[in-house]
Amino acid sequence: GEDVEQSLFLSVREGDSSVINCTYTDSSSTYLYWYKQEPGAGLQLLTYIFSNMDMKQDQRLTVLLNKKDKHLSLRIADTQTGDSAIYFCAESMNRDDKIIFGKGTRLHILP
Amino acid sequence: GAVVSQHPSRVICKSGTSVKIECRSLDFQATTMFWYRQFPKQSLMLMATSNEGSKATYEQGVEKDKFLINHASLTLSTLTVTSAHPEDSSFYICSARPAPNEQFFGPGTRLTVL
Repeated sequence: GEDVEQSLFLSVREGDSSVINCTYTDSSSTYLYWYKQEPGAGLQLLTYIFSNMDMKQDQRLTVLLNKKDKHLSLRIADTQTGDSAIYFCAESMNRDDKIIFGKGTRLHILP
Repeated sequence: GAVVSQHPSRVICKSGTSVKIECRSLDFQATTMFWYRQFPKQSLMLMATSNEGSKATYEQGVEKDKFLINHASLTLSTLTVTSAHPEDSSFYICSARPAPNEQFFGPGTRLTVL
């Protein structure tokens, strides 16, 4: 079945890099996403990666995909206080298909 | 960018009443909208897929008579929680998909049933 797992909590010092990890079970997943949810707000798509890619970089964000191990990670360089949020890993078979979400990782920034 | 709004943002109601939540795509047309439910410290659970002009497709375990979905236009979908009970208290999030691109999410509606 479809399942997306991620750790629930991560604490990082301001200025350090944050790495949020995720594993998924559906080998037919074609798109893998990272969403950000700030308190009381909806989800904001940060980035996505297609399953035939190993890496995608967008400014401070780097996504790494290990398709063999079904492991996805999000690295946030130079973590700022504004990065404090819940980050959801998600997957879908295609861009038009339903999206399956993990439970989210709450990123806490230490001063 | 694409904006999706939800109304109301918060609602408190008495047990047994019905509550309607609206989801609007403000600057694009969406043939498909999705309704999610999010419990505290839990993931988003897809409840149903709403297609304009046709009946919604509900996920397994979601009561269609309890959660009525109407997608009457390309910019509006509504979710009505009928005969609400305290266990229906949750954060409800909609998303809209301007085919064939990604989903854009609304800010969510927090429902509290007393």
